[in-house]
Amino acid sequence: GAVVSQHPSWVICKSGTSVKIECRSLDFQATTMFWYRQFPKQSLMLMATSNEGSKATYEQGVEKDKFLINHASLTLSTLTVTSAHPEDSSFYICSARKQGAPMGYTFGSGTRLTVV
Amino acid sequence: GEDVEQSLFLSVREGDSSVINCTYTDSSSTYLYWYKQEPGAGLQLLTYIFSNMDMKQDQRLTVLLNKKDKHLSLRIADTQTGDSAIYFCAESDGQNFVFGPGTRLSVLP
Repeated sequence: GAVVSQHPSWVICKSGTSVKIECRSLDFQATTMFWYRQFPKQSLMLMATSNEGSKATYEQGVEKDKFLINHASLTLSTLTVTSAHPEDSSFYICSARKQGAPMGYTFGSGTRLTVV
Repeated sequence: GEDVEQSLFLSVREGDSSVINCTYTDSSSTYLYWYKQEPGAGLQLLTYIFSNMDMKQDQRLTVLLNKKDKHLSLRIADTQTGDSAIYFCAESDGQNFVFGPGTRLSVLP
């Protein structure tokens, strides 16, 4: 199989603090992982592509200093929302693709971030 | 950029068939997918189809692809209340991955 674990499932934080979200590929190595953001009742918006051992590639309009991505190993990518504000409240989902797997990308279960 | 379109809502009665439609613009799509998202959860891959296929059946799910019209559909036979969710159509050319807006399926008793 190809399992992606995302942690935490939900988090509440105060404005101005930083929050780290982890995305792990449990049974395969992922040189590339993807971070999405989903607003209520909307589709997924690709935020950035996380590359193991190199800098992430951010989509247009996504602040790289706001959303720090680190992909230090072949099984772990982290997204840190820095100096969080209420407008950062959202559902964040990561995904990864197992090499040679035609069934596409496996998604984590998502993290619901609420900034108060 | 590439675009994937879906109707936003669908309501069916329990036991009926559901058909969720999707259109896409990328003529170089290699894979087309259907994902299911239940409330507060991540995306679950339901099924996928290669662009050189016309149809794929997997238990209650039937995927039809009209490559000429760039039209993809997902049919759920004998729809159950547990099928209530948002269904996302997605396409990939092997490099990029584009989601549709999602169709919210409501199953009425």
